[in-house]
Amino acid sequence: QQPVQSPQAVILREGEDAVINCSSSKALYSVHWYRQKHGEAPVFLMILLKGGEQKGHEKISASFNEKKQQSSLYLTASQLSYSGTYFCGTDRTGTASKLTFGTGTRLQVML
Amino acid sequence: EPEVTQTPSHQVTQMGQEVILRCVPISNHLYFYWYRQILGQKVEFLVSFYNNEISEKSEIFDDQFSVERPDGSNFTLKIRSTKLEDSAMYFCASNRGPNTEAFFGQGTRLTVV
Repeated sequence: QQPVQSPQAVILREGEDAVINCSSSKALYSVHWYRQKHGEAPVFLMILLKGGEQKGHEKISASFNEKKQQSSLYLTASQLSYSGTYFCGTDRTGTASKLTFGTGTRLQVML
Repeated sequence: EPEVTQTPSHQVTQMGQEVILRCVPISNHLYFYWYRQILGQKVEFLVSFYNNEISEKSEIFDDQFSVERPDGSNFTLKIRSTKLEDSAMYFCASNRGPNTEAFFGQGTRLTVV
């Protein structure tokens, strides 16, 4: 069963913040976040393992709430380069040999 | 920087024909994957491959699909008899191990006419 992402789309002005959520109805072992620009391959952002840890990558960070089976991606002080579609991929096995991706969140950052 | 390479970048084929999509994963990676993405939609898992055998496959990966690692570098996806609904972007990915960063290739756009 695929994870549910929200919002489906968001438009920001440069410098604004955004939060993208990824929820599952099933217990998860890990959540993987990717960004895909139009016409390009998905690019890895980070992995969150169960345990509720939070990770950071420059101005992009994420958390994983194991009890709620929800992960959130935080984009702070957004830049034009953040524009793209963000996908979460969920793993229920611990091996990540099969990621189930959400439908994506389209983010557009404007001047 | 090492990268996953895929060929061809675009393939047009007639319905019912066989196609082989080729991928060269990053050389020290052990786990290989095929995903597909229908235009404007989400990325869908097809199959994962480790130690010369399939680890997982999705419902999409039926008898018409097969994967091979014919030598030490290539990883191929074969579709035996293509259907119109097989038209999509096919991505190959690889990583070093479970729960490590997966690198995606640039994809092969398959168009079935």
